[in-house]
Amino acid sequence: RKEVEQDPGPFNVPEGATVAFNCTYSNSASQSFFWYRQDCRKEPKLLMSVYSSGNEDGRFTAQLNRASQYISLLIRDSKLSDSATYLCVVGNFNKFYFGSGTKLNVKP
Amino acid sequence: DAGVIQSPRHEVTEMGQEVTLRCKPISGHDYLFWYRQTMMRGLELLIYFNNNVPIDDSGMPEDRFSAKMPNASFSTLKIQPSEPRDSAVYFCASSLGQGNLDYGYTFGSGTRLTVV
Repeated sequence: RKEVEQDPGPFNVPEGATVAFNCTYSNSASQSFFWYRQDCRKEPKLLMSVYSSGNEDGRFTAQLNRASQYISLLIRDSKLSDSATYLCVVGNFNKFYFGSGTKLNVKP
Repeated sequence: DAGVIQSPRHEVTEMGQEVTLRCKPISGHDYLFWYRQTMMRGLELLIYFNNNVPIDDSGMPEDRFSAKMPNASFSTLKIQPSEPRDSAVYFCASSLGQGNLDYGYTFGSGTRLTVV
């Protein structure tokens, strides 16, 4: 079983839509959680950390559910520029596991 | 700040040849990581260094892969002999301190390796 699993998508949504991704992880001892964004043929870049109480950054909201071992990312009012692959990252001190990513296409 | 610098950006080589990928971390960062990304397996950690010392190489696929960090500003990942299944994008990343995957963690632009 993979450490981190994501729906590869693609999610095709119109501008202005709300879209949500989930990511499940297998190690219940995981302590650190992140969402990274990767544009086509570019390096991954941090989108946001995920905190136990949930956290929001503008149009982006991240949630953690330890009991069910998943994290989620909600994007509101999606923009064309949100089109990318979103990588879920789970782990502990220096041992991090990346999901294979969920591809989002925002259409005009 | 020039960021993490990797070279070459693209490499095409024939099966059996030696390939060397290079990375210059951000000055002052004390952790350096090598990752490999493929469509099938996603992004995988191969090895990481702390203060130039290899700490965990459990992700290195096999003996054909080796990594060195002779000083704080340079690291290499070598594949000898290369095989077509090694085709992937190889990323180097560096971080300061505990190496948490947050704002202090920076990826290079990657080396796209194709072995034919």
